Amino acid sequence: AQTVTQSQPEMSVQEAETVTLSCTYDTSESDYYLFWYKQPPSRQMILVIRQEAYKQQNATENRFSVNFQKAAKSFSLKISDSQLGDAAMYFCAYRSAGAGNNRKLIWGLGTSLAVNP
Amino acid sequence: GAVVSQHPSRVICKSGTSVKIECRSLDFQATTMFWYRQFPKQSLMLMATSNEGSKATYEQGVEKDKFLINHASLTLSTLTVTSAHPEDSSFYICSAPSGAYNEQFFGPGTRLTVL
Repeated sequence: AQTVTQSQPEMSVQEAETVTLSCTYDTSESDYYLFWYKQPPSRQMILVIRQEAYKQQNATENRFSVNFQKAAKSFSLKISDSQLGDAAMYFCAYRSAGAGNNRKLIWGLGTSLAVNP
Repeated sequence: GAVVSQHPSRVICKSGTSVKIECRSLDFQATTMFWYRQFPKQSLMLMATSNEGSKATYEQGVEKDKFLINHASLTLSTLTVTSAHPEDSSFYICSAPSGAYNEQFFGPGTRLTVL
């Protein structure tokens, strides 16, 4: 069975600085997706970034980028130029690839990120 | 992106009563929806996968008779908490996959408080 591990329950960063959230996973599959979701105090889950395992290039979305190391099964999230609005819980998630839309997400326990002004 | 709504956003009920939570995909059709439960400062726990026109698939340890799921149309799934007790108090979230990557889009959640 697949597992996702986030080893940092809490992190903090100064506004405008850069922070990296770590995520490791375990799987025997070769094709899968990895996601970072953000859950702000409103508790609305928001997709931050997606990485396809068969793509070597690291995904980037504006100030958010990932360091995807497939062999090491590592998927860290880097937030550049941190803003107060980035304060939230961040969840790393894994999903098997393949046909069908009923494939469930495997979730990490989350990292609570505080942004200090 | 795809939009998922949930209703109600908050509900308070007495112990022993039943509560229905609706999850709607507003601008896309969803043959599958997922129901999660989340305790404060914890991760999401998948309860069940809702399948349009067929029975839901429940995760191990989730009582199907207590958490009734009905996916009667391509845009609506409902979760009914039957005979609710205080330990059922939690935050319930639904999601539905959409798009080329079948990404899950989440509803805003429902906070259930059972007195």
